[in-house]
Amino acid sequence: EVQLVESGGGLVQPGRSLKLSCAASGFTFSNYYMAWVRQAPKKGLEWVATISTSGSRTYYPDSVKGRFTISRDNAKSSLYLQMNSLKSEDTATYYCARHLYGYNLYFDYWGQGVMVTVSS
Amino acid sequence: DIQMTQSPASLSASLGETVSIECLASEDIYSNLAWYQQKPGKSPQLLIYYASSLQDGVPSRFSGSESGTQYSLEINSLQPEDEGDYFCQQSYKFPLTFGSGTKLEIK
Repeated sequence: EVQLVESGGGLVQPGRSLKLSCAASGFTFSNYYMAWVRQAPKKGLEWVATISTSGSRTYYPDSVKGRFTISRDNAKSSLYLQMNSLKSEDTATYYCARHLYGYNLYFDYWGQGVMVTVSS
Repeated sequence: DIQMTQSPASLSASLGETVSIECLASEDIYSNLAWYQQKPGKSPQLLIYYASSLQDGVPSRFSGSESGTQYSLEINSLQPEDEGDYFCQQSYKFPLTFGSGTKLEIK
């Protein structure tokens, strides 16, 4: 059974940093592109970052580019999101998600999500 | 960026009815579209990808279609468990973008 379990969320002040982790199990992690998607309270979904199987390629929307860094450790089947210079508009539930096999940029499995609140 | 304009924002329908949700892409996305269902308090689930391919385990009452840059999700024979939010997503190019969502209420 595919499982994605996020951790590392919490309350953080504006301008500070936070690192999210996602532990993957039930599939060969190194074979899949992975991603982070967020959802502000009562709002829609926003894609945050994608990383290739080896980690050599990463992709971000302009809203987080230069502030967020996605990374992975295939040996540990883990995905990470380093978030720097956090803003109030980054407040959201952050989901770890698996892309469909191959270079298919759909999300076929999602974690349960972790809440990040940016507030002073 | 590709804008996905989703409609309606909300709809209410009765058990057994058929409903349709639309997404209009701001440019051609060549069938690279997915539909997700999100039940209250839960993570999104993939229903349809490549506009009309049914994800494993998804009931066949869900179907997707396209006409030009307009994409549709149809749900036949509505069931109580179909209540929730529905989102479209384009996967044609980065940045990946979602529609604003449709809240479906079962009367």
